[in-house]
Amino acid sequence: KAGVTQTPRYLIKTRGQQVTLSCSPISGHRSVSWYQQTPGQGLQFLFEYFSETQRNKGNFPGRFSGRQFSNSRSEMNVSTLELGDSALYLCASSLSPAAAGANVLTFGAGSRLTVL
Amino acid sequence: QKEVEQNSGPLSVPEGAIASLNCTYSDRGSQSFFWYRQYSGKSPELIMSIYSNGDKEDGRFTAQLNKASQYVSLLIRDSQPSDSATYLCAVSQGAQKLVFGQGTRLTINP
Repeated sequence: KAGVTQTPRYLIKTRGQQVTLSCSPISGHRSVSWYQQTPGQGLQFLFEYFSETQRNKGNFPGRFSGRQFSNSRSEMNVSTLELGDSALYLCASSLSPAAAGANVLTFGAGSRLTVL
Repeated sequence: QKEVEQNSGPLSVPEGAIASLNCTYSDRGSQSFFWYRQYSGKSPELIMSIYSNGDKEDGRFTAQLNKASQYVSLLIRDSQPSDSATYLCAVSQGAQKLVFGQGTRLTINP
């Protein structure tokens, strides 16, 4: 069974640019969430999607956005990149919110973004 | 006060000994608790989940939960060099929203 797949794995952008990251959940998983990991702030929740709807959002500026498609794949976008956006962006998937173990997350390998 | 607090370490333990990792949380209504292991350069992987007060054992790992004291711990018995990693405590605040501690860096010395 394939795990959570994130692309691209590494990318370098300059300030002011935008970036789109992609996530394919484990087959059968319908909930997808995104996290940002930095040395200073640790792992922080960005947002959560189920059935193409954002169910929860973390404390990040509006430059951070996401969406989910009908096949449960998800993308997140960061616009007007800042140096502080350099981080590892992790996608996690799980079963439907109502399912037992819905909050048991499986993480992808992450997309490491460097902003110059 | 941070929502989930862990001692950042580093925690150094000799091979074969018991490693004890601790975590406290601030939201008294929290119901679900998790321990993740993260090797350097890798993504977090789930080791244990615990939902009820008491101990939960899985192989060499034991998670302990005390909701009255708002305290979660992870014991690793017979520590191996391969257990050297950062251990992240996480508390659920909704279906997929986890609040993580800063992590404890554990080193097992051969």
